[in-house]
Amino acid sequence: EDQVTQSPEALRLQEGESSSLNCSYTVSGLRGLFWYRQDPGKGPEFLFTLYSAGEEKEKERLKATLTKKESFLHITAPKPEDSATYLCAVRHFGNEKLTFGTGTRLTIIP
Amino acid sequence: EAGVTQFPSHSVIEKGQTVTLRCDPISGHDNLYWYRRVMGKEIKFLLHFVKESKQDESGMPNNRFLAERTGGTYSTLKVQPAELEDSGVYFCASRLYGQGGYTFGSGTRLTVV
Repeated sequence: EDQVTQSPEALRLQEGESSSLNCSYTVSGLRGLFWYRQDPGKGPEFLFTLYSAGEEKEKERLKATLTKKESFLHITAPKPEDSATYLCAVRHFGNEKLTFGTGTRLTIIP
Repeated sequence: EAGVTQFPSHSVIEKGQTVTLRCDPISGHDNLYWYRRVMGKEIKFLLHFVKESKQDESGMPNNRFLAERTGGTYSTLKVQPAELEDSGVYFCASRLYGQGGYTFGSGTRLTVV
């Protein structure tokens, strides 16, 4: 059974203070690792899909990386509008469903 | 392009009543998924449609839950009769075949009292 563990559960940063969120996973045949952002009262908003170890993707202040056991979401010089819950999910070959972690609640303090 | 639309956004019902949630996927998306998040837990898969056919319903909790997708367009998720443990946020997502990203709706918050 696929498993996803995210850490930390919550993270408070000062504006401009860079950091990383961790997603550790166990999956039989990774088909994709997904990062989502979720704001209160909204649905998950798609950020990135990573498919193989060594792959990296960037979007504005966010950069996602992938190894065979974990993924990191690096946030560089964050702004208050980056405050949200960040979710990690995996999909394995032969299956369409996503298995989610519980998320990291990120707060950026002005 | 309109996103995934879900309604109602909130529903409060009494234990034993019936509730029907609706999801309108992005036009042309043949894959439609239902997920649920109960308080304090992670988002969990319920089922997957390809067009009007149920492809995977391994996440459905029990036979009180019935999902349909009429003509391969919108989908409904009926809970009958509702129990207290059914409370949570129900998300719908859709995806075009061959594309990587799953687009989620804003969810329906269901409270059973």
